[in-house]
Amino acid sequence: EPEVTQTPSHQVTQMGQEVILRCVPISNHLYFYWYRQILGQKVEFLVSFYNNEISEKSEIFDDQFSVERPDGSNFTLKIRSTKLEDSAMYFCASSLDRIGTDTQYFGPGTRLTVL
Amino acid sequence: DAKTTQPNSMESNEEEPVHLPCNHSTISGTDYIHWYRQLPSQGPEYVIHGLTSNVNNRMASLAIAEDRKSSTLILHRATLRDAAVYYCILRTLAGKSTFGDGTTLTVKP
Repeated sequence: EPEVTQTPSHQVTQMGQEVILRCVPISNHLYFYWYRQILGQKVEFLVSFYNNEISEKSEIFDDQFSVERPDGSNFTLKIRSTKLEDSAMYFCASSLDRIGTDTQYFGPGTRLTVL
Repeated sequence: DAKTTQPNSMESNEEEPVHLPCNHSTISGTDYIHWYRQLPSQGPEYVIHGLTSNVNNRMASLAIAEDRKSSTLILHRATLRDAAVYYCILRTLAGKSTFGDGTTLTVKP
């Protein structure tokens, strides 16, 4: 069964450094998402992406964050200058159907630790 | 932003039905109601979704109140593999998802 993959599984970085989290969505999916989950807390929406544009973003997704689909297969989340509070599990998701009614398939997550 | 409220935890016996409630009194007319579940150390997994009518699939049923201010996820026969955190989510047509705090379901053998 096709699945969303994410790399790396765990990323450790120093505060102030840039990180890029990578995701390979399911190949025929058209809509892409990033979420984060701080340890012990609920999942939080960051951004949705379709047709090479951001469809919607949350208040968390400030100027430090950016997303890109650099080629036909990868979808990336960049954090320009990491802060301690960016430490969390980051999940990528993708879906085929129209946003709202879609079934989103989540990847296994990347654990980001900012020291 | 619309908000969802769920009980922190629930328990069920194996093979018995489970009703997981969610309140979403600030839901807007175009928001879809989604339910996902999350096992430890895994990403969320889709369970079911609906807009106004009750929905059934192979995993569960979703009962939506007539005024859409609440919904209930029904697992007809809980198994040990159903133990997870269940999230009630409101999703806008632009793709923004608002997760609740989740209900941790414990299934006792």
